[in-house]
Amino acid sequence: DAGVTQSPTHLIKTRGQQVTLRCSPKSGHDTVSWYQQALGQGPQFIFQYYEEEERQRGNFPDRFSGHQFPNYSSELNVNALWLGDSALYLCASEPRDRPKTGELFFGEGSRLTVL
Amino acid sequence: GDSVTQMEGPVTLSEEAFLTINCTYTATGYPSLFWYVQYPGEGLQLLLKATKADDKGSNKGFEATYRKETTSFHLEKGSVQVSDSAVYFCALIEEYVDMRFGAGTRLTVKP
Repeated sequence: DAGVTQSPTHLIKTRGQQVTLRCSPKSGHDTVSWYQQALGQGPQFIFQYYEEEERQRGNFPDRFSGHQFPNYSSELNVNALWLGDSALYLCASEPRDRPKTGELFFGEGSRLTVL
Repeated sequence: GDSVTQMEGPVTLSEEAFLTINCTYTATGYPSLFWYVQYPGEGLQLLLKATKADDKGSNKGFEATYRKETTSFHLEKGSVQVSDSAVYFCALIEEYVDMRFGAGTRLTVKP
């Protein structure tokens, strides 16, 4: 049973560029959340998707956008990158057909470096 | 708003030492509380949880008790092993509030 998979694992971009990160949830999970983890910090919630719509959003600017596909996989897009966007981006999945348990399954993350 | 504060690290212990990592929280309602662990090169994984006051979560020898009166959820283990070396995150969640994580505490256990 595959867990949460993310790609790419590492990438380097320059300021002003755009990036797309991808996530496949754990089998049986239909809800995907994205988190930003800066160096030495805890993960910060970006947004959550289920039924192909953004359902909840954290305190991140509109430069951060996402998408969920019919197969429940998801993308995170960040436009106009700046140095402060350098971080580990984590995807987490959970099944929707249960109460909010907080039992998230995380991928290993995509480490983005902005130069 | 809701937040989690955990003790700053790093923490370095010898094998078989007693571990405590402090965690306190601020919440508007009645959150569920969690400890997640991040082993080197791996994603975060749930270690234990507690959903209401006085509940004790436990797993792999780790324990934490939900203390509403002190708004705390301290992580303890009686005898740590080298394999426990990781970063530990305290977290909370409430209805209509996203998961909030603390800054993490890096634990290194030396043989």
